[in-house]
Amino acid sequence: QIQLVQSGPELKKPGETVRISCKASGYTFTTAGMQWVQKMPGKGLKWIGWINTHSGVPKYAEDFKGRFAFSLETSASTAYLQISNLKNEDTATYFCAKGNYFDYWGQGTTLTVSS
Amino acid sequence: DIQMTQSSSSFSVSLGDRVTITCKASEDIYNRLAWYQQKPGNAPRLLISGATSLETGVPSRFSGSGSGKDYTLSITSLQTEDVATYYCQQYWSTPPWTFGGGTKLEIK
Repeated sequence: QIQLVQSGPELKKPGETVRISCKASGYTFTTAGMQWVQKMPGKGLKWIGWINTHSGVPKYAEDFKGRFAFSLETSASTAYLQISNLKNEDTATYFCAKGNYFDYWGQGTTLTVSS
Repeated sequence: DIQMTQSSSSFSVSLGDRVTITCKASEDIYNRLAWYQQKPGNAPRLLISGATSLETGVPSRFSGSGSGKDYTLSITSLQTEDVATYYCQQYWSTPPWTFGGGTKLEIK
């Protein structure tokens, strides 16, 4: 069965960098793009962007350009979200999701940024 | 960018009620519309894609309708397990693929 398994919770300080992983199984990794979504406490879902898992080309929503970066390790069917120069307001749960209409989701990775 | 508006951010309902949640796009999205259910502490769950296609395993009391800019998620006879926040999302044309602000259902 199709699964997306994300890395565990993270506690970071402002200015640090975090990398969140999303390991896919149950389908051919390069046949569906990988989306990334942010859920801040008490707020709605916000699309961060996606990466074409065949070409490796990413696209970012305007609000996430600069400090957010996607990457792939295709041989391991894994996608990564890296956030650099962390800020308190990056505290949120981050989800990966498969395909154009997000038919499978990772369980979410909670990131807490606090000094 | 296409904006998605869910007119109600929350409302209280009774068990057994019929519930209708609306979503309006800023332009025609040609039925490229998905609905998700999210419960606290859980990942969102895809309920409907293509505006009307129910995903496997989703109870038949859920249905989607609409066209053009206006779309609706309906739940007939609300059950306890349906208490959640519901999001619409468009995936027409090229990214960004935007979400509505969410509609939270609470029991009266």
